[in-house]
Amino acid sequence: EAEVAQSPRYKITEKSQAVAFWCDPISGHATLYWYRQILGQGPELLVQFQDESVVDDSQLPKDRFSAERLKGVDSTLKIQPAELGDSAMYLCASSGRLAGAGTGELFFGEGSRLTVL
Amino acid sequence: DQQVKQNSPSLSVQEGRISILNCDYTNSMFDYFLWYKKYPAEGPTFLISISSIKDKNEDGRFTVFLNKSAKHLSLHIVPSQPGDSAVYFCAATPSNTGKLIFGQGTTLQVKP
Repeated sequence: EAEVAQSPRYKITEKSQAVAFWCDPISGHATLYWYRQILGQGPELLVQFQDESVVDDSQLPKDRFSAERLKGVDSTLKIQPAELGDSAMYLCASSGRLAGAGTGELFFGEGSRLTVL
Repeated sequence: DQQVKQNSPSLSVQEGRISILNCDYTNSMFDYFLWYKKYPAEGPTFLISISSIKDKNEDGRFTVFLNKSAKHLSLHIVPSQPGDSAVYFCAATPSNTGKLIFGQGTTLQVKP
């Protein structure tokens, strides 16, 4: 069964350091999402790509976060510099169609858990 | 501004009984609703969905009910099994945006 691949699974870093997360969506999925989930809360959308274009990055803290999907396939989310409040699970998801069109479900990866010390 | 709310952080039920998880929303533009299930150290997995043109959708032991006038939906699990123990997230989306907005989650514990 096709899966969304993410790496690393776990990352511990000190504040002010740079950190990067990688995501490989399900083959053929045009839409890719990065969500952040803080413990005890629901996932919050950071950025949404349609192919290589950003559709929504309104909740992305652009002073320190950046995301790219250069060839419209895999994607990288970067944080520089990391802050204590960035400690969270970073989830990547992909879908073959927009949510709300047909089944509209998102397929999530296992996530990358970030701890900032 | 929490547009999707799950007001019960946790729920405990006995195996074989019904589990009812609730979700409220505020945005009238939402027209598609989904439930996701999440085990520890894993990503959320899709469970069931419902379009705003329906008031009920059933899939095996799982049924989702939608009350648009009350802006409320619920997930019923009958009968509940210990393997259903997980965090359940309600999510909603405005038509054709592809953007899911999640609630805070409800942790369900099903006791043997």
